[in-house]
Amino acid sequence: EIVLTQSPGTLSLSPGERATLSCRASQSVSSSYLAWYQQKPGQAPRLLIYGASSRATGIPDRFSGSGSGTDFTLTISRLEPEDFAVYYCHHYGSSPYTFGQGTKLEIK
Amino acid sequence: VQLVQSGAEVQKPGASVKVSCKASGYSFDSYGISWVRQAPGQGLEWMGWISVYNGYSNYAQKFQGRVTLTTDTSTSTAHMELRSLRSDDTAVYFCAKEGAAPYHFFEYWGQGTLVTVSS
Repeated sequence: EIVLTQSPGTLSLSPGERATLSCRASQSVSSSYLAWYQQKPGQAPRLLIYGASSRATGIPDRFSGSGSGTDFTLTISRLEPEDFAVYYCHHYGSSPYTFGQGTKLEIK
Repeated sequence: VQLVQSGAEVQKPGASVKVSCKASGYSFDSYGISWVRQAPGQGLEWMGWISVYNGYSNYAQKFQGRVTLTTDTSTSTAHMELRSLRSDDTAVYFCAKEGAAPYHFFEYWGQGTLVTVSS
C-alpha cells in the first residue's frame, strides 16, 4: 500500500499570498495517477488536479500541480478567501487507492 | 453530472446498511464508481470501486467480506452495502464517479450520506 504524507498539517496564510502544499509518497507513483482535492466543511471533496498537473474542469488557473516520483506539490498562486479549506492528495494508480491525511489551509 | 445519494441512516451495531447513489448527466455504464468514507473530523478513506460496464469490483482489504458494491443500469444507481456494523463505521459515505479508465480519480462526488451506528 502506498502511504501519502502531506505537509504541513496546517498552513496559515493571508489572502493574496502564495500557498505551497506538499505530498510525499512512500514509493514512486506514476504522475498519471496523482490527484488533489479541496474540501470545505460540510461539503463533498472537489477535484482540483489529476495526473499530477492537469486542472479539472472549471478550476481557476491559480491552482497548479507539479511533481514526480515520490514528491508532489499543489500551488495556489494568490489565495482568494474561498480557497481556505482542507486539501487532500490521492493516489489512484493501483489498489488500494489512498489519500494523504490532509492539509488545512487557514486564514492568518 | 449529478450523483444524488440516499438519506441519513441510524443503525444498531451488528446491523447492515445500504446506501444508494443515483447518477445522471452522463453515460452511467461508461465509468466506474468508487465509494469513500469520512469519519467525523477525520480524513478520506477509499472503500472500493465497481466497473459499471462489467460489474467487476475491487475492495480495500480493510472492508473485504463486509462490503458489497452493486449497480443497477436500468435506474443508473449504484449501491454500497456494509454489514456487521460497528461504532467506528459511523461516518459520511460518499460515492464518486471516476474518470475514464484506467484513471480512477474522482471527478464528481455525491453529497454524502451520514451513517450513524449506535445502540
